[in-house]
Amino acid sequence: DAGITQSPRHKVTETGTPVTLRCHQTENHRYMYWYRQDPGHGLRLIHYSYGVKDTDKGEVSDGYSVSRSKTEDFLLTLESATSSQTSVYFCAISDSGSFNEQFFGPGTRLTVL
Amino acid sequence: GIQVEQSPPDLILQEGANSTLRCNFSDSVNNLQWFHQNPWGQLINLFYIPSGTKQNGRLSATTVATERYSLLYISSSQTTDSGVYFCAVNSGGSNYKLTFGKGTLLTVNP
Repeated sequence: DAGITQSPRHKVTETGTPVTLRCHQTENHRYMYWYRQDPGHGLRLIHYSYGVKDTDKGEVSDGYSVSRSKTEDFLLTLESATSSQTSVYFCAISDSGSFNEQFFGPGTRLTVL
Repeated sequence: GIQVEQSPPDLILQEGANSTLRCNFSDSVNNLQWFHQNPWGQLINLFYIPSGTKQNGRLSATTVATERYSLLYISSSQTTDSGVYFCAVNSGGSNYKLTFGKGTLLTVNP
């Protein structure tokens, strides 16, 4: 299994509070991604990173920011959580040397009350 | 952007039966992956298959890139095969992001 961990695994928070989710990898892969999974939508890309301090937006980036200060860590921040951000969040990694096959972390279930 | 459609949306089988899941996509792809999401929510890589045919035990997959579809075959299904099967594609560009279909929910009854 690819070495990807996410923390926390579960979180309940209130509307308006800041939330940071962490993705940590031990594979030294270049690319890292944050997806959210919602019923009826499958998985949708929020943000991705193609290197340290190199990030870009995905298709559902509003209300989210990311940071990558080290190869192994990719942080997703909800500056002011809303109920519409209740979801399951998955981190993924890939590397150009392996045809960019993506591998996923275990997910974080976030509930915003 | 690229569109990904999976069929059927739901499938119920008896243990031991065979099944075929289909993934249609609207543009040429550089990457196509099949995943199994188990009842605990974990996404498990099944195949990386932008073209051709691969087999892994009771599972096999075929992608016909020129006709823009991929098929996932499950033979002699087991209850542990239950879950959601996702097809995901990348249509090019430098970010390698995947666009997912909405999945096929498979239930295998004993």
